[in-house]
Amino acid sequence: KNEVEQSPQNLTAQEGEFITINCSYSVGISALHWLQQHPGGGIVSLFMLSSGKKKHGRLIATINIQEKHSSLHITASHPRDSAVYICAPPCTYSGGGADGLTFGKGTHLIIQP
Amino acid sequence: SQTIHQWPATLVQPVGSPLSLECTVEGTSNPNLYWYRQAAGRGLQLLFYSVGIGQISSEVPQNLSASRPQDRQFILSSKKLLLSDSGFYLCAWNRGQGQPQHFGDGTRLSIL
Repeated sequence: KNEVEQSPQNLTAQEGEFITINCSYSVGISALHWLQQHPGGGIVSLFMLSSGKKKHGRLIATINIQEKHSSLHITASHPRDSAVYICAPPCTYSGGGADGLTFGKGTHLIIQP
Repeated sequence: SQTIHQWPATLVQPVGSPLSLECTVEGTSNPNLYWYRQAAGRGLQLLFYSVGIGQISSEVPQNLSASRPQDRQFILSSKKLLLSDSGFYLCAWNRGQGQPQHFGDGTRLSIL
């Protein structure tokens, strides 16, 4: 089973600050998701990345497959970025052509105006 | 474009009652389908996945079952709900292994 550790668990920052969320996992993988969950519960996939870095607007995700580590960065943070951010590598026990995800506990981010 | 529909959005059920949650995907064929659950105060957990009609794999022993009667339909069921079945249930799909997953809006299930 892939064990996922995310840090920090909770983060409160001021609008405009640079945010970093870290994720480590125990079993080597080929790709990893970063997800965003808003208070209503809905989940949006932000990134799926297998190497290097991806950027989408103010969000940047990096991954080091060898180190089993990934980070999510938010530049110029805004109150609307307040959400739970979840790191999700594949489960090691699902197979047969499917890759169910295993999830970190999430980082509760609050951006204050 | 592809869309995923999940319903109902919220559900309140008594202990011992049956359950049926439905998920459908439009705009693609032969997707991989997934059911996840988020219990109160806990992270999401994979419950079931399916790579084709009638093919269901379960990741954890539990009071629930899943079925895939049609290519783009995935159903989560229980004959008798337990209090511990309360939680937030998410359906997801992807085109295949290594592809991004896309999530439904979820069903919040409360057991009384």
